[in-house]
Amino acid sequence: GESVGLHLPTLSVQEGDNSIINCAYSNSASDYFIWYKQESGKGPQFIIDIRSNMDKRQGQRVTVLLNKTVKHLSLQIAATQPGDSAVYFCAARNYGQNFVFGPGTRLSVLP
Amino acid sequence: DAGVTQSPTHLIKTRGQQVTLRCSPISGHKSVSWYQQVLGQGPQFIFQYYEKEERGRGNFPDRFSARQFPNYSSELNVNALLLGDSALYLCASSLDGSRGYRYTFGSGTRLTVV
Repeated sequence: GESVGLHLPTLSVQEGDNSIINCAYSNSASDYFIWYKQESGKGPQFIIDIRSNMDKRQGQRVTVLLNKTVKHLSLQIAATQPGDSAVYFCAARNYGQNFVFGPGTRLSVLP
Repeated sequence: DAGVTQSPTHLIKTRGQQVTLRCSPISGHKSVSWYQQVLGQGPQFIFQYYEKEERGRGNFPDRFSARQFPNYSSELNVNALLLGDSALYLCASSLDGSRGYRYTFGSGTRLTVV
């Protein structure tokens, strides 16, 4: 099966700095990955996704990098803002299967 | 457009009771998945339904069951509740659960078992 983990359970960054949140997955057959943001009392909110045929994908202030060789992906948030404070989850999917979520990283933005 | 809606938002039940949670997917979405999120952890997959048929089941006991209706809404039932069933239950919908479309989550039902 698939297992997904994150390198750090918590991350604190200064407002305006860039944030990098890392994630590792175990199944080399995983073909689709999503980063979700979850604020207190809410369901996970889609941030950005990437398919296994890509190495990098950019959104508004966010970039996801995928390294299939070492089964690692990262989420980069540029110019981190107080509103970015939340728990971030990566999720990995095997084709036809369901998403497996990591345990999450809590991002705190310091003033 | 309405997002994924779940009801109720909060629920308190006693050990041994039964509970039914409801989910309405985004209009046009035919796949619904249920996840359990224990405090401090990532969501864990329970069920996926597509076109009223079960597509997948996670590692949960038979006390957990679900179904999908012709309008694609879904119910999750949990029998003989245990304290450990206390969690946030999330419903996610997608266009087609087997082809890699992103999931959109509802805000969840917070179940507390006392």
